[in-house]
Amino acid sequence: KAGVTQTPRYLIKTRGQQVTLSCSPISGHRSVSWYQQTPGQGLQFLFEYFSETQRNKGNFPGRFSGRQFSNSRSEMNVSTLELGDSALYLCASSWTGGTSYEQFFGPGTRLTVL
Amino acid sequence: DQQVKQNSPSLSVQEGRISILNCDYTNSMFDYFLWYKKYPAEGPTFLISISSIKDKNEDGRFTVFLNKSAKHLSLHIVPSQPGDSAVYFCAASAGGTDSWGKFQFGAGTQVVVTP
Repeated sequence: KAGVTQTPRYLIKTRGQQVTLSCSPISGHRSVSWYQQTPGQGLQFLFEYFSETQRNKGNFPGRFSGRQFSNSRSEMNVSTLELGDSALYLCASSWTGGTSYEQFFGPGTRLTVL
Repeated sequence: DQQVKQNSPSLSVQEGRISILNCDYTNSMFDYFLWYKKYPAEGPTFLISISSIKDKNEDGRFTVFLNKSAKHLSLHIVPSQPGDSAVYFCAASAGGTDSWGKFQFGAGTQVVVTP
């Protein structure tokens, strides 16, 4: 069974631009969560989608948004990029996103904002 | 507000010996805990989990212990192998709809296994 895939793996943008990252979960998984990893803050939860609905959201500004499609694939978008958005963005999938299920992570997208 | 803390940023251990990684949490609502291993340029890989109804869970060389009264969990790796050199994260989640899909992660502990 294929794992979680994320595209692109690396991205370089300039301040003020916007970016869209994509995540394909493990087949059969319906929950997709997004995390931001930075050296100073560790992994921070962005949001979670299940059956095309955002069920949970972390403490990030509205510039960070996401969506999920009927095939469970998910995208996240960051508008008006800032230097501080440079990070590794990880998505994780699980069967239902309940609190007793493991999350399986993709390799991440490394975003650099210049 | 860091609700999950890994106070040791690094750990060096000899091959064949035991590695003990520690994790403390502050939220008494946390009831499910995971450990992940992460190599550079890869996403975290799930290792082992434990729910709050247990105090120990074993899987091969990995054992996780949970002390709910102390809000503390630990991961034991026995015996340590060179391939175990990686960053280890503990993560915790609380019950309820507010926690769907959401885990709180510690800052990680870099483990180096030396020959």
